[in-house]
Amino acid sequence: ETGVTQTPRHLVMGMTNKKSLKCEQHLGHNAMYWYKQSAKKPLELMFVYNFKEQTENNSVPSRFSPECPNSSHLFLHLHTLQPEDSALYLCASSQVYTGTATDTQYFGPGTRLTVL
Amino acid sequence: GQQLNQSPQSMFIQEGEDVSMNCTSSSIFNTWLWYKQDPGEGPVLLIALYKAGELTSNGRLTAQFGITRKDSFLNISASIPSDVGIYFCAGYYGQNFVFGPGTRLSVLP
Repeated sequence: ETGVTQTPRHLVMGMTNKKSLKCEQHLGHNAMYWYKQSAKKPLELMFVYNFKEQTENNSVPSRFSPECPNSSHLFLHLHTLQPEDSALYLCASSQVYTGTATDTQYFGPGTRLTVL
Repeated sequence: GQQLNQSPQSMFIQEGEDVSMNCTSSSIFNTWLWYKQDPGEGPVLLIALYKAGELTSNGRLTAQFGITRKDSFLNISASIPSDVGIYFCAGYYGQNFVFGPGTRLSVLP
């Protein structure tokens, strides 16, 4: 149990659907992250929120829209996705985000997304 | 951006054997992290290394921060079936944080 939960664990959606991924952390952290994990590729950082403010957006297409209503919750809103967006989407949290080695990240179990 | 290379990409070992894997880069890193990912789960932090030459253990796992600061090593002693999974290195160079592609470990009974 890492203290970071993600729902749903599995999601299948069509290219015209709108869905949302949810992440919740119970660790009292102030930074939250979204990563994409595709087969045989390194984890790709998508977004970082620090104290509810977005601090990083690594050139992610606008069909992915993050939302961080408070330090414990993070959402990833999905719309008009493409089949190549199928991947495992991982959420992580850390005490804060400083962009340094002190930001030890704890990961959730991920949402396995399939886009048809 | 900077890429990390992990070797080997995959390995099959017998239960009880020792395992060695490494992670290399072309840039100098100031922190190395090793994560393990079980099937269907997110990565879990195993060991964090913060200075060159540092050697840190976590049970049967031992990791070292290479003295060149461009590599790190992970050893697992006396492997058991639950060691199966993907082992990722990750690290900070400057304010950049990257993950390696992973080493997939399979343990044969």
